[in-house]
Amino acid sequence: AQKITQTQPGMFVQEKEAVTLDCTYDTSDPSYGLFWYKQPSSGEMIFLIYQGSYDQQNATEGRYSLNFQKARKSANLVISASQLGDSAMYFCAMREARGDTGRRALTFGSGTRLQVQP
Amino acid sequence: DTGVSQDPRHKITKRGQNVTFRCDPISEHNRLYWYRQTLGQGPEFLTYFQNEAQLEKSRLLSDRFSAERPKGSFSTLEIQRTEQGDSAMYLCASSPTRGGEGHYEQYFGPGTRLTVT
Repeated sequence: AQKITQTQPGMFVQEKEAVTLDCTYDTSDPSYGLFWYKQPSSGEMIFLIYQGSYDQQNATEGRYSLNFQKARKSANLVISASQLGDSAMYFCAMREARGDTGRRALTFGSGTRLQVQP
Repeated sequence: DTGVSQDPRHKITKRGQNVTFRCDPISEHNRLYWYRQTLGQGPEFLTYFQNEAQLEKSRLLSDRFSAERPKGSFSTLEIQRTEQGDSAMYLCASSPTRGGEGHYEQYFGPGTRLTVT
């Protein structure tokens, strides 16, 4: 089974509107972290936001918020007030405390390409 | 610039040649990771160092691949006898140790794009 599933290969949003990028995950580890990264066309992965499995509140960082629904194993990224510069690939990732992919490595989804239209 | 740096940014090589990439992590970070990203996919873990010790290697890391971090600072990734299937973006990331089992974010470099012809 896929560890991280991003079901939206591409999304369009109008400038200044909000957009939700979906992410579901699969783990039996009680301790894990969920991350979102942005990858512009230049290629660099830019860290956006983090949610810990034991965190009681949803994480927020500026215009980014993470809608964490633990029972449903989902960690959707919400971008408010979209800007043209938000156009990029967005990756959801997970780090499991006792995963089999390198004890501290991240497992990434296949990404969602977001295009912000003026 | 105090971020993660990688060199070279682009490398074109002929099949069968050896290539070496370098990664300089953020100076106070003792954890260093290598990932490979092919077109249209998310990065895949290759290997992980804590200081100079290589603690984890993915099954993706065939015996043609070797990585080192000799003094716990910069790291190198070498691919011997390159194949066309090695064409990808090779990403390096680093993260700090603050104690405990915290899930700390990894900071990525700009990557080295390898093209094997």
